[in-house]
Amino acid sequence: AQSVAQPEDQVNVAEGNPLTVKCTYSVSGNPYLFWYVQYPNRGLQFLLKYITGDNLVKGSYGFEAEFNKSQTSFHLKKPSALVSDSALYFCAVRDDNYGQNFVFGPGTRLSVLP
Amino acid sequence: DSGVTQTPKHLITATGQRVTLRCSPRSGDLSVYWYQQSLDQGLQFLIQYYNGEERAKGNILERFSAQQFPDLHSELNLSSLELGDSALYFCASSPVGREVHGYTFGSGTRLTVV
Repeated sequence: AQSVAQPEDQVNVAEGNPLTVKCTYSVSGNPYLFWYVQYPNRGLQFLLKYITGDNLVKGSYGFEAEFNKSQTSFHLKKPSALVSDSALYFCAVRDDNYGQNFVFGPGTRLSVLP
Repeated sequence: DSGVTQTPKHLITATGQRVTLRCSPRSGDLSVYWYQQSLDQGLQFLIQYYNGEERAKGNILERFSAQQFPDLHSELNLSSLELGDSALYFCASSPVGREVHGYTFGSGTRLTVV
């Protein structure tokens, strides 16, 4: 079975500081990994994905994520946080050996303080 | 605008009633997914349709049902509603059944059962 964990319910960071939102996963095959962001009263928006290739993936709004196979992690990062980055972030995984549906993590609420 | 349209945006109804949520996928997408987002359960996969046929089932209650029509729009029917069914219901779409490009989400229908 596939699963995703986001160990932090809440992450607080000061504007201008680097941010990290953590994600670990469990799959039996090769993982397809995604990050989505949800702003208040909005649907989830795609940020970035890892399918294969370079372990460092760059996405929208200056976000990037690093795939680490040995640690089964896919942490989301941004070098300099903005107040407008405050939102709910979801990590999702699909096992290429297991159907076609993604499993989403519980979400991490990011608050960027001015 | 993501291209996935959900109606209505808000719905308030009484316990025991039945409601229908509607989703129009992004143009060209054949797969439709329904998710329920509640505060205590996170984002839960309910059901997937691909080109009119049910493809996968998640944590969908027997009181809930869905279908996808020939024009690819989908409806989620919720009956015998309970207070605990109050949640955000999201529809997402993707181009084909085993798509690696992730999902495009609608902005959701907020259901309040009173």
